[in-house]
Amino acid sequence: NAGVTQTPKFQVLKTGQSMTLQCAQDMNHNSMYWYRQDPGMGLRLIYYSASEGTTDKGEVPNGYNVSRLNKREFSLRLESAAPSQTSVYFCASFGDANTGELFFGEGSRLTVL
Amino acid sequence: QKEVEQNSGPLSVPEGAIASLNCTYSDRGSQSFFWYRQYSGKSPELIMFIYSNGDKEDGRFTAQLNKASQYVSLLIRDSQPSDSATYLCAVDSGYSTLTFGKGTMLLVSP
Repeated sequence: NAGVTQTPKFQVLKTGQSMTLQCAQDMNHNSMYWYRQDPGMGLRLIYYSASEGTTDKGEVPNGYNVSRLNKREFSLRLESAAPSQTSVYFCASFGDANTGELFFGEGSRLTVL
Repeated sequence: QKEVEQNSGPLSVPEGAIASLNCTYSDRGSQSFFWYRQYSGKSPELIMFIYSNGDKEDGRFTAQLNKASQYVSLLIRDSQPSDSATYLCAVDSGYSTLTFGKGTMLLVSP
């Protein structure tokens, strides 16, 4: 049981390059999320998808786009990477409505030079 | 902007002591509160959730909620070196989203 799988785990980009972070979950969850985590800043929500076919902005959406390809997959795209986007990115899916538990992927460490 | 505040620490306690982690939140309408643990270089994992005022115990962990004071805490009894991690407080923000605090680093020394 893989849970939430993110790729790639590490990536180095030059300023202005584009890339897509991929995320897939095999738990049949409706809601999926992209967070970024920076030192001293905690986890900040970039975008989320409450269900297949819908996406909404979170706290820090500028510079990002997302696609909810199907119920399993939720991708995050950086169209023109900037050094300020250097961060660790976590994908998560929402599990049990009773516990409110988010299941996180292992994270993707992105460096923009 | 909904805010969740935590002391960044580090909070240092000796092995066997009680560690007390605190969190305040700004949205009085929040209903659900969570504590996640994050080891260095790893992803967060849920350890406790609480919805009602009062205490909730699970093994060595106790979550405390006071909605009137907008205050959530996590007590870890008999702290172990393996408890050394960053503890993230999270509050529901509606639409199945969570707002996280910046986390408190806990260091348990043998």
